[in-house]
Parts: sequence; structure tokens; C-alpha cells
Amino acid sequence: QSVLTQPPSVSGAPGQRVTISCTGNSSNIGAGYGVHWYQQLPGTAPKLLIYGNTNRPSGVPVRFSGSKSGTSASLAITGLQADDEADYYCQSYDRSLSGVVFGGGTKLTVL
Amino acid sequence: QLQLQESGPGLEKPSETLLLTCTVSGGSISSRSYYWGWIRQPPGKGLEWIGSIYYSGSTYYTPSLKSRVTISVDTSKSQLSLKLSSVTAADTAVYYCGRQTSAVVTAPFDYWGQGTLVTVSS
Repeated sequence: QSVLTQPPSVSGAPGQRVTISCTGNSSNIGAGYGVHWYQQLPGTAPKLLIYGNTNRPSGVPVRFSGSKSGTSASLAITGLQADDEADYYCQSYDRSLSGVVFGGGTKLTVL
Repeated sequence: QLQLQESGPGLEKPSETLLLTCTVSGGSISSRSYYWGWIRQPPGKGLEWIGSIYYSGSTYYTPSLKSRVTISVDTSKSQLSLKLSSVTAADTAVYYCGRQTSAVVTAPFDYWGQGTLVTVSS
């Protein structure tokens, strides 16, 4: 059971927009800690996609965006492409656990 | 370009102590600007943070593993190490090392090793 809750799977057709939610509580996201998002392609290490709720590292397409409100955060992907098919994870910090926490991951399927 | 490379035994026996190392190249592990950490991923499952360390030796560990884990840094070898004692089959996972983007443990991981699979089995 992960501290941060993500839907196990989402899907969308090429060109569509999908969102992935990450729900926490007052000890993590709601406490003001930043949310970071990763993309993990099969058999590879995770890649940082969004940091500090809304920021994209250099080289990440603008199709990927992040938002945060209250105790939740979301990753949005627009103009869905076949190679977006991957697992996506959110990460934050939990002050009651005094440590980094990850969401359980969401598998994105491009139909 | 910063590179991280994990190394380890591949197969470990139950109740033994697992030792993994992560060699950092293309950058300084003794920089005051970053935390360094270990994350693992059981086969077919999600990511689990194990712990993070600052160059000074300051450490944070996940509560569920704290009694069995030691993370250390050897700046002379530019290596990060993970010791996990009394391993069981539940510790079977791909183990990643990573660099956090700043000198706070809340920071994201921007560089990752390719991961090393550790199987715990007799």
C-alpha cells in the first residue's frame, strides 16, 4: 500500500489527452512538499519528467505538464503518442515518515 | 555527463547481508550540492525508496527497512554503498542508485543507474 495513491492504469488514443492523478494527505503533498513525476519505459530506469509540481527538465516535451492542488497532484499528457506507453510514478516527501515516498505507479496504454 | 553504475552479487542467500555499490563518474560524489540515494523495484511492482545520504554522511532511511539498512559514501572511490542485512525473498528486486537534484532529501532524482537485479534464493 503506497502512501501516494495513483490509478493502476489509464489509456487513451493517439492524439488524445490523458491525466494521471497522485493523491496524498496532509503529511506529504498537503504539507506543501513538491511532487515529481517519472516515466519508466519497459526494462529501463525511471526518467525525471516533472519536478517541483510543474517544472519540466530540459528536453522533456511541452506535451507533459504537472499541476498540484491541495493534497493531490496530476500529470497531463497531451497529443498522446505510441512511445508514451510506459509506467508513470509520482514522488514526494512525507514528514511523518521523514522520507521520500513514491506512488504505486500508473500504466499508460496508448490504444 | 554524470554516470552511475550499480554492481552487486546478482544472487544472495536468505539471511545473508547484501552489499551493493554504485560507482559515480563524470561528477563528484563529494559535492555539497546533492543527496544520493537507493531505490528498489521488485519484479513487476512499483518503486520503493530505500534511503538517501549526503556527502557529509547524513542519512535518511525508509522506516520499514531502517533496522536492516546502512548507506555509506566512500569519496575516495567515488562510490555509494548499500548494506541490507537478513535478506529474504521479499528483498528480490532491481536496485537503483540515483542522484537527487539538490542538497535536500525532498528533491527528485535526476540521474539514475541502469539498475542491478538481486535475487534472494537458496
